[in-house]
Amino acid sequence: QITLKESGPTLVKPTQTLTLTCTFSGFSLSTSGVGVGWIRQPPGKALEWLALIYWNDDKRYSPSLKSRLTITKDTSKNQVVLTMTNMDPVDTATYYCAHSLGDCSSTSCYNVWFDPWGQGTLVTVSS
Amino acid sequence: SYVLTQPPSVSVAPGKTARITCGGNNIGSKSVHWYQQKPGQAPVLVIYYDSDRPSGIPERFSGSNSGNTATLTISRVEAGDEADYYCQVWDSSSDPVVFGGGTKLTVL
Repeated sequence: QITLKESGPTLVKPTQTLTLTCTFSGFSLSTSGVGVGWIRQPPGKALEWLALIYWNDDKRYSPSLKSRLTITKDTSKNQVVLTMTNMDPVDTATYYCAHSLGDCSSTSCYNVWFDPWGQGTLVTVSS
Repeated sequence: SYVLTQPPSVSVAPGKTARITCGGNNIGSKSVHWYQQKPGQAPVLVIYYDSDRPSGIPERFSGSNSGNTATLTISRVEAGDEADYYCQVWDSSSDPVVFGGGTKLTVL
């Protein structure tokens, strides 16, 4: 059974850096074709994809947020970390991590989907 | 960037069939995935690769994709199907992962 859980601060101040950790079980991020993604959802709004990291350490970022995001993995700890710099109140959202699969070659994946998702963690940006 | 367009809301009576659309330029050439999100819960994958169902998803959920429209069909709708539904594709030319704006399904 695959499970994921997000952890991190619930409140950050504007301009601060947010660091979120996704701790997972039931799969290995060293297995070919496997990835972990981060998706967020502002209150009452739609899902927005942020970043994705693959078993081979290939990383993809949302172009609109790329300059502010960094995603890393620690395979030995079964963790993926997302950092987002220069936080703003518009970044207030529930942040989800999710296990991803897709069509993969030895170097990259496409047609990626997310299953399952973590429970999410609400991050509020306010002074 | 690639845009997915969903109707904000769809209403259906219990026992009837609900169809939720997801529009995009030549979306039929892409693989579409669908998620169900109930209030206060994380999204759950209900359809992947246009029409495949993950284990545990009822056969009442089905999908199709052609031309500029993908469709999630829920047959014999139940009260428990009331949720927000999101489509998602992979677009290698822009944002790799794109979500639609979501559709709120109301069971009358």
